[in-house]
Amino acid sequence: AQSVSQHNHHVILSEAASLELGCNYSYGGTVNLFWYVQYPGQHLQLLLKYFSGDPLVKGIKGFEAEFIKSKFSFNLRKPSVQWSDTAEYFCAVGGSQGNLIFGKGTKLSVKP
Amino acid sequence: DTAVSQTPKYLVTQMGNDKSIKCEQNLGHDTMYWYKQDSKKFLKIMFSYNNKELIINETVPNRFSPKSPDKAHLNLHINSLELGDSAVYFCASSQVAGPNQPQHFGDGTRLSIL
Repeated sequence: AQSVSQHNHHVILSEAASLELGCNYSYGGTVNLFWYVQYPGQHLQLLLKYFSGDPLVKGIKGFEAEFIKSKFSFNLRKPSVQWSDTAEYFCAVGGSQGNLIFGKGTKLSVKP
Repeated sequence: DTAVSQTPKYLVTQMGNDKSIKCEQNLGHDTMYWYKQDSKKFLKIMFSYNNKELIINETVPNRFSPKSPDKAHLNLHINSLELGDSAVYFCASSQVAGPNQPQHFGDGTRLSIL
């Protein structure tokens, strides 16, 4: 069965620091990968997605992610975080029936 | 003009009661989902409907019964509520059912069992 691992449970950064959140998936075939963000008290919003093509994917709000097939990884990056990026970040893989299989999430706290 | 709307936003009730959560999407999508987010923020699929037909039914107690009167609505009825049902329940939709379909989420319903 497909699964997703997010290594960092809680990341604390100062504003302007660079961010990288780890995500590894288990499935070795064709994968469809997503990063979602959940701001405090809000619903999940799609940050970016990867299906095929250029492994470097750019998303909203200055986020990007790189798909590295040999490492089964899809890490999320942002060169300079802001206080408003404080949120929970979820990596997910698309299941065969359309459901999303989520990692356990990484809480990002950005100190002003 | 909310895309996926759930009601109620908060639901506080006692053990043993029966309650329903409603979900509606105005995106014209064919597929709708219910996810449960536990106290550790872990999200897991419960059900999925495609054009009113059930396509995913994870190992959820049969006290939970989804109903889709039309493809724009997916409601969740829960019988005999238990303490362990306390969670945030998210409704979502996607254009069609498929592994490459981004999903749009509602704001969630926070269910608290006393």
